[in-house]
Amino acid sequence: GAGVSQSPSNKVTEKGKDVELRCDPISGHTALYWYRQSLGQGLEFLIYFQGNSAPDKSGLPSDRFSAERTGGSVSTLTIQRTQQEDSAVYLCASSSQGTSGGGAQYFGPGTRLLVL
Amino acid sequence: DQQVKQNSPSLSVQEGRISILNCDYTNSMFDYFLWYKKYPAEGPTFLISISSIKDKNEDGRFTVFLNKSAKHLSLHIVPSQPGDSAVYFCAASDHGSSNTGKLIFGQGTTLQVKP
Repeated sequence: GAGVSQSPSNKVTEKGKDVELRCDPISGHTALYWYRQSLGQGLEFLIYFQGNSAPDKSGLPSDRFSAERTGGSVSTLTIQRTQQEDSAVYLCASSSQGTSGGGAQYFGPGTRLLVL
Repeated sequence: DQQVKQNSPSLSVQEGRISILNCDYTNSMFDYFLWYKKYPAEGPTFLISISSIKDKNEDGRFTVFLNKSAKHLSLHIVPSQPGDSAVYFCAASDHGSSNTGKLIFGQGTTLQVKP
């Protein structure tokens, strides 16, 4: 069975450009999360989608960051006007249990973003 | 404010011995705890979890212990194998107030198992 997939695996961009990162969750998982891991840091929560509910955007670091989830499946994280401090590994995870409690999150391989 | 802390950045053990990875948390509302393993250039892999209603969960060579009064959990790996060498992350969530299950991660501990 396919796990969580993410694309691109690596992205190098120039400061000020916009980037889009894609996540395909595990089929049937209703909950989808985005995290990022900066160099030498733990994972930092960004945004959460659960079914048709309004997303929890409380972790987004600035209004340059946005995400959407179309059809309850694929999600896209967009970073506008990228800054060098946006350089990090962006990880997507999905889970079969979001609000019901418990339920492990399964991670994709991540997108390594480097902003020059 | 670091709600989940892994105070040991690294740990080295001999193959066949026990590895003990520690994690402390500050938020008493956390009700679900997980351990993930991460190899370089890969996403974290789920290892084992424990609900706050339990104090121990075992899965093969991996056992997680939870001490709620001390706000402390640990992961025991026995016997340790060279393939266990990786970065281990402790994570916690609070389903009650946040209702999202978002995970709060520690900084990670790099485990090296020497043959």
